[in-house]
Amino acid sequence: QSALTQPPSASGSPGQSLTISCTGTSSNIGAYIYVSWFQQHPGKAPKLIISEVSKRPSGVPDRFSGSKSGNTASLTVSGLQAEDEADYYCCSYAGNNNLVFGGGTKLTVL
Amino acid sequence: QVQLVQSGAEVEKPGASVKVSCKTSGYSFTDFLIHWVRQAPGQGLESMGWINVKSGGTHYEQNFQGRVTMTRDTSVGTAYMELTSLRSDDTAVYYCVRDDTRATLVDPWGQGTLVTVSS
Repeated sequence: QSALTQPPSASGSPGQSLTISCTGTSSNIGAYIYVSWFQQHPGKAPKLIISEVSKRPSGVPDRFSGSKSGNTASLTVSGLQAEDEADYYCCSYAGNNNLVFGGGTKLTVL
Repeated sequence: QVQLVQSGAEVEKPGASVKVSCKTSGYSFTDFLIHWVRQAPGQGLESMGWINVKSGGTHYEQNFQGRVTMTRDTSVGTAYMELTSLRSDDTAVYYCVRDDTRATLVDPWGQGTLVTVSS
C-alpha cells in the first residue's frame, strides 16, 4: 500500500493530452512544495521529469507539466508521443526526512 | 559526466546480509546526499533512506530501521547500503541516486542492483 495514490493505468492517442493524478494527505503533498515526478521505461532506472511541483529539469520537453491543488498533485503530458509510453511515479516529501512514492501509473500510447 | 555505478547482482539466502556499493564520479561527492530506493519485481518505488556523505549522518525510513546501514568512503567517492536479516520480500532492484537536500532525487540514478533472496 503506497502512501500516495495514483491510477494504475492511463492511455491516450498520439497528440492528445493526458493528466495523471497523485493523491496524498495534508502531511505530504498538501504540506510541501517538494513533489516530484519520475518516468521509468521498462528495464531502466527512473528519470526525473518534474521537481518542486512544476519545475522541469534541463532537457525535459515542455510537453510535461506539473501542478498541485490541496493534497493532490497532477502530471500533464501534452501532445502525447510514442516514446512517452512508460511508468510514471509521483513522490513527495512527508516531513521528518521521509520521502514517499505513489504506486505508479502505466501510460499507454494507443 | 556524472555517473553512479553500482555493484553487481547478488543472490542471498533468507537470513543473510547483502552490501551494495555505489561508486560516484563527475561531481563533488560531498555536494549531495546519497539516497537509496528499491523496486520489487513489477512493483513501485520505495525509499529506504539516505546518507549525508559529508557528515556521515543517516536517515532510514521506518520500514527499514534496524535492518539497514548506510555508509560511505569519501576517499573513493563511494556509498554503501547493507541490508540484514534478508527475507524473500527483499528481492528487488536497489538503486542509489543523488538527493539535493530539497527532497529531490536528481539524475542520473545508478543502474540498479538486483538482489535475489531465495533458499
